[in-house]
Amino acid sequence: EAAVTQSPRNKVAVTGGKVTLSCNQTNNHNNMYWYRQDTGHGLRLIHYSYGAGSTEKGDIPDGYKASRPSQENFSLILELATPSQTSVYFCASGDSDWGQDTQYFGPGTRLLVL
Amino acid sequence: QQKVQQSPESLIVPEGGMASLNCTSSDRNVDYFWWYRQHSGKSPKMLMSIFSNGEKEEGRFTVHLNKASLHTSLHIRDSQPSDSALYLCAAPGTGGYKVVFGSGTRLLVSP
Repeated sequence: EAAVTQSPRNKVAVTGGKVTLSCNQTNNHNNMYWYRQDTGHGLRLIHYSYGAGSTEKGDIPDGYKASRPSQENFSLILELATPSQTSVYFCASGDSDWGQDTQYFGPGTRLLVL
Repeated sequence: QQKVQQSPESLIVPEGGMASLNCTSSDRNVDYFWWYRQHSGKSPKMLMSIFSNGEKEEGRFTVHLNKASLHTSLHIRDSQPSDSALYLCAAPGTGGYKVVFGSGTRLLVSP
């Protein structure tokens, strides 16, 4: 089974601070994704990547940046955190070349912005 | 923007009963779906996928797909308390997006 890890698992940040969420996958998947999950909204796509060096905007990219420095690592950056970004964030990976990804999720990061 | 709609939002079934969950895509080009299960406090895990019209069965779980109506359904027979979870439906995205998820159906199996 695909192995996707996330760090930190829990984070408390202050409004206006910078937050970096990290994701690592060891299965050599090309595609990686960042989602947030809020009650009533399911999973919403923030950013995704097709490979090292690439990032693409998802459905809700405002207030977030992403970085894919290598095949294994994909980071989500909140430059100026706001309370509305309090959520659970999931990273996922997949290996399809044409959008038929089965998604393998990490354990999630619970972020609280005060 | 493509939407994946799930119904009902929540469902309570008795232990041993049948649970039926529904999902529809707004994109007429969609012809396959995934179902994911997410237990409380955990991450989603792919449960079943279906790529062709008809029915697919794996143990107590059966998935139906009707491509003409862009509709898929998940049926769980002999439901167990361990089946209590959030069930997410997903479809391939359009416009450059990989996958679009629905908001989920929260299933509670009462002992």
